[in-house]
Amino acid sequence: GNSVTQMEGPVTLSEEAFLTINCTYTATGYPSLFWYVQYPGEGLQLLLKATKADDKGSNKGFEATYRKETTSFHLEKGSVQVSDSAVYFCALSAAAGNKLTFGGGTRVLVKP
Amino acid sequence: GAVVSQHPSWVICKSGTSVKIECRSLDFQATTMFWYRQFPKQSLMLMATSNEGSKATYEQGVEKDKFLINHASLTLSTLTVTSAHPEDSSFYICSACPQAAGSQETQYFGPGTRLLVL
Repeated sequence: GNSVTQMEGPVTLSEEAFLTINCTYTATGYPSLFWYVQYPGEGLQLLLKATKADDKGSNKGFEATYRKETTSFHLEKGSVQVSDSAVYFCALSAAAGNKLTFGGGTRVLVKP
Repeated sequence: GAVVSQHPSWVICKSGTSVKIECRSLDFQATTMFWYRQFPKQSLMLMATSNEGSKATYEQGVEKDKFLINHASLTLSTLTVTSAHPEDSSFYICSACPQAAGSQETQYFGPGTRLLVL
């Protein structure tokens, strides 16, 4: 079946540091890949997505590239801010009906 | 755009009672809505897929008689936890897919409902 594996947190960084959250997946066919972010006390928000190999999703300074050869979709940001503190979820959609399969989530804490 | 609301945002109930949670798409129509459950510090687990005008599709291991889902319109789905027990305490999250062509892959999530069963 489909699965998503992402690095466990928490990840603690200083402001302006470089952030990488690793995400790998297993899926049949050609899934679409997503990163969702959950800020404290809020619901999930779509951060970025990529629908085919070599696509790069980007938003709010975050980027992730769909790497089919390594089945990965790592999230990166060059300079984090305190406001980026949140839980980040990698997810894929491969099955009919657009069902999402989520990774375990990675909590990121950015300190001033 | 693409706002999904849930009501209530939190609820405390006694064991044995039933609790209804509403999920609404506020500015778009959604043929399909999804219900998830999230345990503390864990990921989201899909419970069921709710389709407007038809029966919900439940994931393996989810009791359909315990978690009743009704998708009565293109903007509203409800989840009723029947005869709730303490082990049903969790964070319930819904999501909705816009009906517009080309947007089926994107789900918009509600803020979640925290349920505590005493």
